[in-house]
Amino acid sequence: EAQVTQNPRYLITVTGKKLTVTCSQNMNHEYMSWYRQDPGLGLRQIYYSMNVEVTDKGDVPEGYKVSRKEKRNFPLILESPSPNQTSLYFCASIKVVSPSGFTDTQYFGPGTRLTVL
Amino acid sequence: GQQLNQSPQSMFIQEGEDVSMNCTSSSIFNTWLWYKQDPGEGPVLLIALYKAGELTSNGRLTAQFGTTRKDSFLNISASIPSDVGIYFCAGQSRGSGNTGKLIFGQGTTLQVKP
Repeated sequence: EAQVTQNPRYLITVTGKKLTVTCSQNMNHEYMSWYRQDPGLGLRQIYYSMNVEVTDKGDVPEGYKVSRKEKRNFPLILESPSPNQTSLYFCASIKVVSPSGFTDTQYFGPGTRLTVL
Repeated sequence: GQQLNQSPQSMFIQEGEDVSMNCTSSSIFNTWLWYKQDPGEGPVLLIALYKAGELTSNGRLTAQFGTTRKDSFLNISASIPSDVGIYFCAGQSRGSGNTGKLIFGQGTTLQVKP
């Protein structure tokens, strides 16, 4: 079954304590991306990766890091979380047919609800 | 950065009514995507549009890629209770340096009264 998995699904942490949210896909997709969803703001892109070892900033990358050492995994790292990073986070995986051509073969993970106290 | 304006923000309609929502952008997109998000779930792709002027249907859903490449609309005909959710538009541009960016609208929350 094609799927994107995220862990953990829920996390409550404190300011400054490093954390990692994992994302894994089993479809061999080249493109993966992280988004945060906040009320009234829709989904905002944090980072994306066009392929292994190729990552780039989205619209709201401050305070986040990512890595893409293998095709299936794209972890999101918060080195020093702050309360303004409290949000709902989604990972997405998309099949591309060219360096920039999104197809309609795409999946979002179930989301990770993060609370930073 | 690029922004998408999605309207309306919310809709409360009677079952059986048709629904229309749209997105406009200040810049050109090469791909328009429409998603639905159910409570507690991630977004699910409904329709993808790849060419200006393209009109695509998926069951009761119809979406169009505006000819100016700066707008798109989604229509839902004969709404049913399971249409309830948040609908998002998203645009992807292929300009230099931002081929992987996907910009989302703020979402339209749809409620359907049986």
